[in-house]
Amino acid sequence: NAGVTQTPKFRILKIGQSMTLQCAQDMNHNYMYWYRQDPGMGLKLIYYSVGAGITDKGEVPNGYNVSRSTTEDFPLRLELAAPSQTSVYFCASERGNTEAFFGQGTRLTVV
Amino acid sequence: GENVEQHPSTLSVQEGDSAVIKCTYSDSASNYFPWYKQELGKGPQLIIDIRSNVGEKKDQRIAVTLNKTAKHFSLHITETQPEDSAVYFCAATKNSGNTPLVFGKGTRLSVIA
Repeated sequence: NAGVTQTPKFRILKIGQSMTLQCAQDMNHNYMYWYRQDPGMGLKLIYYSVGAGITDKGEVPNGYNVSRSTTEDFPLRLELAAPSQTSVYFCASERGNTEAFFGQGTRLTVV
Repeated sequence: GENVEQHPSTLSVQEGDSAVIKCTYSDSASNYFPWYKQELGKGPQLIIDIRSNVGEKKDQRIAVTLNKTAKHFSLHITETQPEDSAVYFCAATKNSGNTPLVFGKGTRLSVIA
């Protein structure tokens, strides 16, 4: 049972470049989340989804986009990378009112 | 929407002492309150949770208490050990179709040997 898988683990982007952070879960969870965590700080919700075809903005959605075409996958897209997007990104999933499972994180640096 | 406040932001205790972390929530409809532990370089992992129909739950050295009237819940760690050093997050949510899990800002616990 793989749980929540995030790829890549590390990435360096140049300002203005685009990339997609991948997140997949094999637990048939309806809820999926994207958080960013700046050094020494808490988890800030970027986007979340309560099921395939449904997405909603979180606390800090600007500069990001998501899609949820399947239950398993919830990719996060950065269109024009900026230094302020340097952070560690975590994807999580849960069934709803139960334990949330987190991926191992993607450490992104924008230079 | 739900708002979760967590205190303190940092906490240092001597090995063997107890540690208490407190959270308050704003939405009286919230009914599920998990606690997560994040070790360095890893994603958060659930350590204990409590639902609104229960006032206290214990798992070995870890316990969580919930006061629905005051809308606050607390994590208690007894006989702390160096491996308890980590960042702890509380969270709250309700069983409603479109509401996300909302986290507190975290507490960095240091257990000094």
